[in-house]
Amino acid sequence: GQQVMQIPQYQHVQEGEDFTTYCNSSTTLSNIQWYKQRPGGHPVFLIQLVKSGEVKKQKRLTFQFGEAKKNSSLHITATQTTDVGTYFCAGLWGTYKYIFGTGTRLKVLA
Amino acid sequence: KAGVTQTPRYLIKTRGQQVTLSCSPISGHRSVSWYQQTPGQGLQFLFEYFSETQRNKGNFPGRFSGRQFSNSRSEMNVSTLELGDSALYLCASSLAFGSEQYFGPGTRLTVT
Repeated sequence: GQQVMQIPQYQHVQEGEDFTTYCNSSTTLSNIQWYKQRPGGHPVFLIQLVKSGEVKKQKRLTFQFGEAKKNSSLHITATQTTDVGTYFCAGLWGTYKYIFGTGTRLKVLA
Repeated sequence: KAGVTQTPRYLIKTRGQQVTLSCSPISGHRSVSWYQQTPGQGLQFLFEYFSETQRNKGNFPGRFSGRQFSNSRSEMNVSTLELGDSALYLCASSLAFGSEQYFGPGTRLTVT
């Protein structure tokens, strides 16, 4: 079946530590998007990766798309309390259908 | 630019009833996708509409249906509600499918 797994499911870090979440698909993806959802909120778009091996940076966030376009990662350097939330990847599967990953819930301890 | 709006924001229904949820996309956005979010299953794709046509559908029973109007507004309907349909229903609009999705605040449906 169509699956996009994310690990870890939960991550607690001390403020200032780094954080990484990994996204793995059972099949090749056309592109991958990353979203952040704060507690009680809705997903907010962070970035989209399209090319094999692509790396994009947004301030303290670094996103990578694997060479085989089956996996992706999000790395946050020096976490802050404002980074708290659940991070989802969403892979474009076939046409007109995004499959969301299971999400990684990040807690940052001050 | 106004964001994606969803109405109602909260709903309580009883088993067996039906419900209609509404989504107004960002002006100019023609692609609307619907998702169901539950703690156990995460975000699951329901369907995607573009120019009043459903282009893809997720693995949900036929009780879940939707439509899109000529102004890109979309509705989804769930008939014969079950307890397991309790969830946050999110719609997302995009300029074209495959570009960034803008999510609405969601409709929280509780089935008792």
